[in-house]
Amino acid sequence: EIVMTQSPATLSVSPGQRATLSCRASQSVSSKLAWYQQKPGQAPRLLIYGASTRATGIPARFSGSGSGTEFTLTISSLESEDFAVYYCQQYNKWPPLTFGGGTKVEIK
Amino acid sequence: VQLVESGGVVVQPGGSLRLSCAASGFTFRRYTMHWVRQTPGKGLEWVSFINRDGGTTYYTDSVKGRFTISRDNSKNSLFLQMSSLRTDDTALYYCAKEVDCGGDCFFFDSWGQGTPVTVSS
Repeated sequence: EIVMTQSPATLSVSPGQRATLSCRASQSVSSKLAWYQQKPGQAPRLLIYGASTRATGIPARFSGSGSGTEFTLTISSLESEDFAVYYCQQYNKWPPLTFGGGTKVEIK
Repeated sequence: VQLVESGGVVVQPGGSLRLSCAASGFTFRRYTMHWVRQTPGKGLEWVSFINRDGGTTYYTDSVKGRFTISRDNSKNSLFLQMSSLRTDDTALYYCAKEVDCGGDCFFFDSWGQGTPVTVSS
């Protein structure tokens, strides 16, 4: 099973500032990595797939990068609606599909 | 696209439960589907997969032999039959629609709102 590790667990950022979230895989997942955003009481929402391709309707301030075992989600300028929990998910080698533990982006 | 789960209740350890997911707004039979669960302590955990015609299924190890995924394409419905339930099966259960990219896109562009399952005596 591929273990996905996200860091930090919590990120405190001021609106308008940049947020950088990390996701590490225990073995290479190539570029088969997705990012999701989850707000309280809501289901996860797909942001990024293929490590760097934005899903339909996702603003350009969200970008993904990386391959192999190291990945980054960057939110270039945080807006109020971006404060949420973010999860990465690998889909290179499965079953099982595996998720990271999440990074909570909170208002500083 | 709309996915609406139902069937989640409080059940005793060792009990059984059947979750349902009603799909609408897309051609259900064309998409592979999954169940994913979420707990405060363990985050998101993939549970099970079923292909378009129901002929191929996969499960996470902890539910193998206890859970069965199925679908009824004539009724646009997905199911998860759960048996021998344990306290660590307590979670919010989501059905999730896989992206259709014609190949290996095992990630999800639509999720339901989830149905809560509590296993407790």
